[in-house]
Amino acid sequence: ETGVTQTPRHLVMGMTNKKSLKCEQHLGHNAMYWYKQSAKKPLELMFVYNFKEQTENNSVPSRFSPECPNSSHLFLHLHTLQPEDSALYLCASSQDQGDYEQYFGPGTRLTVT
Amino acid sequence: RKEVEQDPGPFNVPEGATVAFNCTYSNSASQSFFWYRQDCRKEPKLLMSVYSSGNEDGRFTAQLNRASQYISLLIRDSKLSDSATYLCVVNEAGTYKYIFGTGTRLKVLA
Repeated sequence: ETGVTQTPRHLVMGMTNKKSLKCEQHLGHNAMYWYKQSAKKPLELMFVYNFKEQTENNSVPSRFSPECPNSSHLFLHLHTLQPEDSALYLCASSQDQGDYEQYFGPGTRLTVT
Repeated sequence: RKEVEQDPGPFNVPEGATVAFNCTYSNSASQSFFWYRQDCRKEPKLLMSVYSSGNEDGRFTAQLNRASQYISLLIRDSKLSDSATYLCVVNEAGTYKYIFGTGTRLKVLA
């Protein structure tokens, strides 16, 4: 199943590094999301984009910077992260808001050392 | 009170058993409801949407009780491959805000 792809699948970075996560959806959806999943915690919504416009920023620290150049691509730029930012970062898309199901990418497992 | 609450389990059941999970939500304005399954170290995958009238997909049945603010998932004739974590997801009406529960872990034993 390749509806939503994410790269890289695994990433180890130091606290002073800058890296980017990439997400691409091939479903023709209008909305894209970034989630963080830490151990034993529910998925936390980070950012939402609809038609390339950011509609939600869930009080995420500025060391996470999203970018949505078009409705098919979504990036998450990372810089000066902390060890507690280590988690699984999941990208999702949906046709639109509300009644529509979300489809997830395989995630990027991030470790900050 | 958490916005979406699930019993974390684990629920250990033998093959062929019937098992049911509940999920409660706090926001009465919630409009859309979903069940996802998540295997270890994998992404959540949609299992089924939950409709007001209830819906069934093979061995899986989902129900919504708006008065008591909970949704349920019933799995009949459990298979080993059903072992996973089942996530309850609730959407606030008119928003992009999907609230996830922490999940209920199911282990089906041979």
